[in-house]
Amino acid sequence: GAVVSQHPSRVICKSGTSVKIECRSLDFQATTMFWYRQFPKQSLMLMATSNEGSKATYEQGVEKDKFLINHASLTLSTLTVTSAHPEDSSFYICSARGERDWYEQYFGPGTRLTVT
Amino acid sequence: GQNIDQPTEMTATEGAIVQINCTYQTSGFNGLFWYQQHAGEAPTFLSYNVLDGLEEKGRFSSFLSRSKGYSYLLLKELQMKDSASYLCAVSSNDYKLSFGAGTTVTVRA
Repeated sequence: GAVVSQHPSRVICKSGTSVKIECRSLDFQATTMFWYRQFPKQSLMLMATSNEGSKATYEQGVEKDKFLINHASLTLSTLTVTSAHPEDSSFYICSARGERDWYEQYFGPGTRLTVT
Repeated sequence: GQNIDQPTEMTATEGAIVQINCTYQTSGFNGLFWYQQHAGEAPTFLSYNVLDGLEEKGRFSSFLSRSKGYSYLLLKELQMKDSASYLCAVSSNDYKLSFGAGTTVTVRA
């Protein structure tokens, strides 16, 4: 149980285009989902927290108009990187937290974004 | 703010024991996690400590001292597959996770 999927696993896009990444909780309802970014040889940095049906809360320094987050249902959250630039190239990981094990986050497999 | 420190790299021999230390200074505390992350993959959960003391789970054990802001992850009987990055993460009052930079463990034959 507690499986989180992400799609796509890898994506290459041209500078100036937008990319959407999906995060799904497959066998539980995720009341809260988190989006992280990880640059090479660095740790995970929290970008934003999203609760189903409400606006995402962004961490300091993360542009909410550039990284659009939608948490439309209890099993799906999406992150859209708008007007992508090469410096947005990174490993994006989502995690989900259910109602039962409130303290634990279940991580998705990650999405490798490369902007050319 | 959150400040979480752990060593950058450690090397050990197959079959040996390695202890990864983590010190933290955070605003609010709701528990400390250890995750394992192989290159290019998402973190996988290893342990969770919210009370002081030692939690043992097979070859892996984790210790917490809240008064000292200190934790360690102990890996016993090291195997080649244990070569990975180990992340210390602290959960704050709002249940967000703040991660340390990670410790890369290399297991040599």
